[in-house]
Amino acid sequence: GAVVSQHPSRVICKSGTSVKIECRSLDFQATTMFWYRQFPKQSLMLMATSNEGSKATYEQGVEKDKFLINHASLTLSTLTVTSAHPEDSSFYICSARDSSGSNEQFFGPGTRLTVL
Amino acid sequence: KNEVEQSPQNLTAQEGEFITINCSYSVGISALHWLQQHPGGGIVSLFMLSSGKKKHGRLIATINIQEKHSSLHITASHPRDSAVYICAVRPGSQGNLIFGKGTKLSVKP
Repeated sequence: GAVVSQHPSRVICKSGTSVKIECRSLDFQATTMFWYRQFPKQSLMLMATSNEGSKATYEQGVEKDKFLINHASLTLSTLTVTSAHPEDSSFYICSARDSSGSNEQFFGPGTRLTVL
Repeated sequence: KNEVEQSPQNLTAQEGEFITINCSYSVGISALHWLQQHPGGGIVSLFMLSSGKKKHGRLIATINIQEKHSSLHITASHPRDSAVYICAVRPGSQGNLIFGKGTKLSVKP
């Protein structure tokens, strides 16, 4: 099946620093990618929808200046958590929708962010 | 009432048992996904369904569009099947996925 990769798989950083997470679709093109956040024992929460070549659409309550999204190519989207704080510690998951026509959505393995 | 309801919330089974996880939804959908999330967190897409039935190895997924219901079955369950199983639906043709709260499955040897 189609594969979505994320890098890094886990990251620990100091408060105030910025962290970039990459999401790649490895064997298909994705004009649309999604970024989710998941807190312990909770379901995935959509943060934003990333469209190749245009600005991301953020869900209500998600700060676009704090969570910068860049979808520069059909196989790569990045999420940058700027000036990270301990409350940003979470599991971040990306997902990519196959543009070929199947419309199927595939999920990455996730990135665990810990902000000290 | 949540738009996507899963049952049971928690399920413990003995190795070899046949397992069924249910998903009911209240909106019109274009597709339904079954996802598997292991304790480490990574999510695996198991099935995407818009009608009928799909089978992959020991996993079978069915959907009844009229009844707005889907089931995920695991035959000959194994401890490595222990995970959280999540049902997610896509409302309309391009809507964002709506997730169920998941069913935590534990298969004992």
